[in-house]
Amino acid sequence: EVQLVESGGGLVQPGGSLRLSCAASGFTVSKKYMSWVRQAPGKGLEWVSLIYDTGITHYADSVKGRFTISRDNSENTLYLQMTSLRAEDTAVYYCAGDSDTSGLDYWGQGTLVSVSS
Amino acid sequence: QLVLTQSPSASASLGASVKLTCTLSSGHRSYAIAWHQLQPEKGPRLLMMLNSDGSHTKGDGIPDRFSGSSSGAERFLTISSLQSEDEADYYCQTWGTGIRVFGTGTKVTVL
Repeated sequence: EVQLVESGGGLVQPGGSLRLSCAASGFTVSKKYMSWVRQAPGKGLEWVSLIYDTGITHYADSVKGRFTISRDNSENTLYLQMTSLRAEDTAVYYCAGDSDTSGLDYWGQGTLVSVSS
Repeated sequence: QLVLTQSPSASASLGASVKLTCTLSSGHRSYAIAWHQLQPEKGPRLLMMLNSDGSHTKGDGIPDRFSGSSSGAERFLTISSLQSEDEADYYCQTWGTGIRVFGTGTKVTVL
């Protein structure tokens, strides 16, 4: 059974940093595309970042230069390092399995990031 | 620019059917999409991947009440025999090289 479990969310001041983790089971993270998606309060889903199985990464313009997606193959875990955080980064962050043939096919339950002074 | 357009809301009575629409931007009418459901206090789940010819592949455990179809640049999600747990937000999503795009979402209310 595929399972994705996010952790690492919390309250952080503007300008601060946070690292989110997504522990995967039931498949191998390094052999699959993986994405981060967020939902700000009262807003819709917004794609944040993508890592291909090759290791190539892509980012939404809103986070480019501030967020870094990575993975630890030995831990089968996906990460999102977030720096220079802004109030508008406040959201529930989801990790998701990704595919060019089926879209985002597996989702975690999400972790809440709040950016506030 | 790759954009998906959805109506903000839809409603239907318990046991009835509702049909949601997702429209692809000009120049992208051949794209496949995915439909996702976001229930309150739950993570999203994939309902189905839907091709431009209307063929679709459902996610794990998705009931037969959910079906998909396509016409030109429009992609449809039909929910039959509406149940109370179908009250949720529904998002269409598509993809290109290095980019993923979501529609604005449709809130479904079960009357």
